[in-house]
Amino acid sequence: GQNIDQPTEMTATEGAIVQINCTYQTSGFNGLFWYQQHAGEAPTFLSYNVLDGLEEKGRFSSFLSRSKGYSYLLLKELQMKDSASYLCAVRDGDYKLSFGAGTTVTVRA
Amino acid sequence: IAGITQAPTSQILAAGRRMTLRCTQDMRHNAMYWYRQDLGLGLRLIHYSNTAGTTGKGEVPDGYSVSRANTDDFPLTLASAVPSQTSVYFCASSSGTVGELFFGEGSRLTVL
Repeated sequence: GQNIDQPTEMTATEGAIVQINCTYQTSGFNGLFWYQQHAGEAPTFLSYNVLDGLEEKGRFSSFLSRSKGYSYLLLKELQMKDSASYLCAVRDGDYKLSFGAGTTVTVRA
Repeated sequence: IAGITQAPTSQILAAGRRMTLRCTQDMRHNAMYWYRQDLGLGLRLIHYSNTAGTTGKGEVPDGYSVSRANTDDFPLTLASAVPSQTSVYFCASSSGTVGELFFGEGSRLTVL
């Protein structure tokens, strides 16, 4: 199985930057994903890392270090609509995806 | 744009009853999954299917069964519901190089 850890909650101010860390232990590794989930809705795909380094997509960036079992999601220029849960997920050697419990980000005006 | 359709959206069920959650996708994705989401525990994989005709057990399969008779449909059955199966159930599918999951809108199940 997988062991995926991420903080439970984070709060930040509109316009600021927030970094959500994720550490994992996995049997085999075939990629790390970040999903966004607004309350009462389904998760939606944000980013994917399979090689070490930074992937940038507009205001969102995701970083991966496979040797450290570590990833982070960086949210820049925070907007009120970014208030949501952010889920870190790891795909194992059997190509099954396991999720962390999620980090609830609250953006304050 | 349909994507993945789940039914019912919400259901209250008496313990001991049999229940089937339906999931249909129109994206012709090979792989499909059922997850349950509980507060503080995140999404946990129940069963999955890599292609039509095959299924596999996830992290929490007990009390659930699935079938994959064709590419589009992946129903989840609770043979005899128990209160601990109260949860939000998400069906998902994936395909392609990245293989990101596309989720249905979820089915909220309450077992009393």
